[in-house]
Amino acid sequence: AQKVTQAQTEISVVEKEDVTLDCVYETRDTTYYLFWYKQPPSGELVFLIRRNSFDEQNEISGRYSWNFQKSTSSFNFTITASQVVDSAVYFCALREFYNQGGKLIFGQGTELSVKP
Amino acid sequence: GAVVSQHPSRVICKSGTSVKIECRSLDFQATTMFWYRQFPKQSLMLMATSNEGSKATYEQGVEKDKFLINHASLTLSTLTVTSAHPEDSSFYICSACKDRDATEAFFGQGTRLTVV
Repeated sequence: AQKVTQAQTEISVVEKEDVTLDCVYETRDTTYYLFWYKQPPSGELVFLIRRNSFDEQNEISGRYSWNFQKSTSSFNFTITASQVVDSAVYFCALREFYNQGGKLIFGQGTELSVKP
Repeated sequence: GAVVSQHPSRVICKSGTSVKIECRSLDFQATTMFWYRQFPKQSLMLMATSNEGSKATYEQGVEKDKFLINHASLTLSTLTVTSAHPEDSSFYICSACKDRDATEAFFGQGTRLTVV
């Protein structure tokens, strides 16, 4: 069965702190895609990153970085030097390659609050 | 590119009435569109998958007679909540894929439905 678990429901940090959002997934497929989305209070989903199961290289984009480890089925997301604008709900999601049409399975989400 | 527009962004309706939500892919043809529902402080739950020109595939537990989905063209899918009740109040969000094997889904802005 496919499943995405974000164990941290809420995280609160002070501006400029680093913060890591955890994501653990379950799948039987050898080929799959992992995603992170940001959902600000306005509600829309903002795409942050897609990673396929064959690419375990970590990625850095500005203050954002992602650590993909197949051995532990984890795809963690780190924000360095957090800012108030980073406050949002962050979702990790999984799509199995053979899952027709691209259906995404979302984790429960982590609400990040960055205080000034 | 890859813009998905959802309308309306907010709607308030009376119990017993029907509400139609539109999801349009503005700059690409979407062979597959997905409808999700999100209750406050919860994750996105897939309601149904709609493919252009064919019947939608509903997830277990979603009433297809209550949530009517029409994907009449490659750029438009509609979700109609029939005989709405207060418990249908939720955030509804659509996503669209460019082809059946798309690795990325593009999300609309979401519709906040309140049934009074």
